[in-house]
Amino acid sequence: DAGITQSPRYKITETGRQVTLMCHQTWSHSYMFWYRQDLGHGLRLIYYSAAADITDKGEVPDGYVVSRSKTENFPLTLESATRSQTSVYFCASRQGNEKLFFGSGTQLSVL
Amino acid sequence: QQQVKQSPQSLIVQKGGISIINCAYENTAFDYFPWYQQFPGKGPALLIAIRPDVSEKKEGRFTISFNKSAKQFSLHIMDSQPGDSATYFCAAFQYNAGKSTFGDGTTLTVKP
Repeated sequence: DAGITQSPRYKITETGRQVTLMCHQTWSHSYMFWYRQDLGHGLRLIYYSAAADITDKGEVPDGYVVSRSKTENFPLTLESATRSQTSVYFCASRQGNEKLFFGSGTQLSVL
Repeated sequence: QQQVKQSPQSLIVQKGGISIINCAYENTAFDYFPWYQQFPGKGPALLIAIRPDVSEKKEGRFTISFNKSAKQFSLHIMDSQPGDSATYFCAAFQYNAGKSTFGDGTTLTVKP
């Protein structure tokens, strides 16, 4: 089915470990985004990408790394996970100039 | 500095009532103001959106009111239903920046 797919759906890890969250879209949208959702903070932008090999920082990029070698994939890596990175992570892509499409999210727990 | 402020944080409404969620923004360069609806365990989905040259937009039971001079916009849900129970996010988008800024969200509960 067409759409935006995130994996894994749930992830438990330990502090200091490297974790990669995957995001795949089938529409060939140019723009892709990573947000984290925390109670009381809404959706905060971590990183975004305007096209393959073009990425830029959002509001809260520290501790995260992204890459975009192909238009359809936009993985997010936590290089050394911390408890403060426990959150729900959403990947999104943008159709045209305005409309965002979100994945179903990855719930990450860092113990 | 929070660019989009949303209130209230939570809202409880009786079935059939009107739900009102408010947002205020600071940056006059924003070009597009969408509202997203999120059900538990799901990602947000676009509900309705407005551009700053329009004062009101209605889609079914959902209406956005926009006040450019006050830099405020609001979502009105008429005849609220239990199925409307969800978290609602306002957002502001700037074409030049290419990204959206979200409010903190409002959890709406519609009691039957």
